[in-house]
Amino acid sequence: DGGITQSPKYLFRKEGQNVTLSCEQNLNHDAMYWYRQDPGQGLRLIYYSQIVNDFQKGDIAEGYSVSREKKESFPLTVTSAQKNPTAFYLCASSRRPRDRAYSNQPQHFGDGTRLSIL
Amino acid sequence: GENVEQHPSTLSVQEGDSAVIKCTYSDSASNYFPWYKQELGKGPQLIIDIRSNVGEKKDQRIAVTLNKTAKHFSLHITETQPEDSAVYFCAASKNQAGTALIFGKGTTLSVSS
Repeated sequence: DGGITQSPKYLFRKEGQNVTLSCEQNLNHDAMYWYRQDPGQGLRLIYYSQIVNDFQKGDIAEGYSVSREKKESFPLTVTSAQKNPTAFYLCASSRRPRDRAYSNQPQHFGDGTRLSIL
Repeated sequence: GENVEQHPSTLSVQEGDSAVIKCTYSDSASNYFPWYKQELGKGPQLIIDIRSNVGEKKDQRIAVTLNKTAKHFSLHITETQPEDSAVYFCAASKNQAGTALIFGKGTTLSVSS
């Protein structure tokens, strides 16, 4: 079945450590996104990528980095510069629109990675 | 930028009753409004969406209405069942490829039998 796979499901970070969250999709989608979810909050955009080798910062990009070397993969690195990394991280993807009138296509989410600080 | 407000934050109904969740948005350029259902420990699942060229859309027990003039949209769930219990999020975005969704803060729906 097609879908978005995030791994690991749970991740622990030590002080001063960088950690990388994996996101893989086999939906042949062009665009991929990373969101952060905090308790009682909506989802906030960290980074997004519309095409391979290109990505843009979202609202809360500080302390995070991404790469998009393959269409299927969009890993997120939480660096030591992110002082409050404890959160639920969600990856999403959407397909290329076939009609300019419908440029915003539905986004489909993975089941998330929960990151905690040791 | 866009801001999405969602109400109520919690909603408790009896099985078989209807549930209504309301959202307002600030940017008149927004034209795509999806609703997501999130169960504990899972990612959000798209349940219905609406574009600004229609005022209402229905899918079985779920419907969404949109009032562009007032800049608000609502989710209606009829004949609620215990399995409808979850957190529901509304979102809005502009007509631009790759544009991120702006989410409301969510509504926790509890359906008791």
